[in-house]
Amino acid sequence: NAGVTQTPKFQVLKTGQSMTLQCAQDMNHNSMYWYRQDPGMGLRLIYYSASEGTTDKGEVPNGYNVSRLNKREFSLRLESAAPSQTSVYFCASSPSYASGTTPRAQYFGPGTRLLVL
Amino acid sequence: AQTVTQSQPEMSVQEAETVTLSCTYDTSESDYYLFWYKQPPSRQMILVIRQEAYKQQNATENRFSVNFQKAAKSFSLKISDSQLGDAAMYFCAYRSLSNFGNEKLTFGTGTRLTIIP
Repeated sequence: NAGVTQTPKFQVLKTGQSMTLQCAQDMNHNSMYWYRQDPGMGLRLIYYSASEGTTDKGEVPNGYNVSRLNKREFSLRLESAAPSQTSVYFCASSPSYASGTTPRAQYFGPGTRLLVL
Repeated sequence: AQTVTQSQPEMSVQEAETVTLSCTYDTSESDYYLFWYKQPPSRQMILVIRQEAYKQQNATENRFSVNFQKAAKSFSLKISDSQLGDAAMYFCAYRSLSNFGNEKLTFGTGTRLTIIP
């Protein structure tokens, strides 16, 4: 049981390049999330997915797209990277409200450190 | 929108002593969850303790306990018998129950805890 996994662990991009951050969970969770963490700002939600086939914007979605490929996988894509997207990106998952599991914490992957030059 | 405030950017404690980290939040909701997450230098986000707002009893997990004051909207974390492995950033987080599926976490900006040997 690996929990939440993310690839890559570290990536350097040039301005304008594109890339996809991968996330997978093996806990059979319905909900998945992408956050970014910047110094002094805690974690901020980029996008989330309540279930397979659905995605919605979070607090800071500009410059990103997501795909909920199946129940296990939730990817984050930067189409044209900008220096302002230099950050640490975390994927998380949680059981859905309807699952009856309380209290419903989120479980995080190890993070991807992204540097955009 | 909910906000979470951690007013102590840094704290330090002598090994084996007790330390309390502060967290306040603002919400108009009556039912919600509160969490403390620990982020060691590895950057992994680790769930420390959770509290359901409808429960008056304070949550405890071994050396970790909370002081939940719902009327004051305060949720402090007490670490007893501090150990070197407790050194980390600690984030307080709020989880709304008002939107099915989007049970996102709103994070504070964190408190960096240093353990003095």
